[in-house]
Amino acid sequence: DAKTTQPNSMESNEEEPVHLPCNHSTISGTDYIHWYRQLPSQGPEYVIHGLTSNVNNRMASLAIAEDRKSSTLILHRATLRDAAVYYCILHRNNNAGNMLTFGGGTRLMVKP
Amino acid sequence: DAGVIQSPRHEVTEMGQEVTLRCKPISGHDYLFWYRQTMMRGLELLIYFNNNVPIDDSGMPEDRFSAKMPNASFSTLKIQPSEPRDSAVYFCASRSGTDNEQFFGPGTRLTVL
Repeated sequence: DAKTTQPNSMESNEEEPVHLPCNHSTISGTDYIHWYRQLPSQGPEYVIHGLTSNVNNRMASLAIAEDRKSSTLILHRATLRDAAVYYCILHRNNNAGNMLTFGGGTRLMVKP
Repeated sequence: DAGVIQSPRHEVTEMGQEVTLRCKPISGHDYLFWYRQTMMRGLELLIYFNNNVPIDDSGMPEDRFSAKMPNASFSTLKIQPSEPRDSAVYFCASRSGTDNEQFFGPGTRLTVL
């Protein structure tokens, strides 16, 4: 399975944008890029996913590099409730690709 | 929908005892997943089911672990006998067959003394 590399931790100020990077240099053409986050004492929750084009939803934006070897999750205005561990995951969408392989993720700390 | 429901939320048991964790997936979801999370190993997939059939159990640590899904609305993860190294948070997740998003339950925190 292709792996992802994320910084262990990042800090942000409240109400400022946050850019969370993810490197996935061995990504294959059929791998989707998924982001999940895990708030303290909760299960992971889906944030966003994409294949080639940039994606936006109510939670965040996903910017995917043209060569797809990296991506960035963008939180447009961080709030204290966004403090969580953010996981970047490659997901192959085939019969065997129903599994999510979680790495270490990035622990985002948001300062008031 | 109430989301994925897991019970119990906390379980403390003694080494050697049998432990049964329960999960009710979101209604209509075709896939059910069991994960385990520890500080040392992070979040690991143990097993997943599609339409109540186990598809991949390669993540199940050893024969002491077993999982069943007798119907579309219920699954169990059993550990017999339990050991202190099984202490972890166990998550259940489900997803529909037409969507990529997995929905996770609140988890069961297991402590084996």
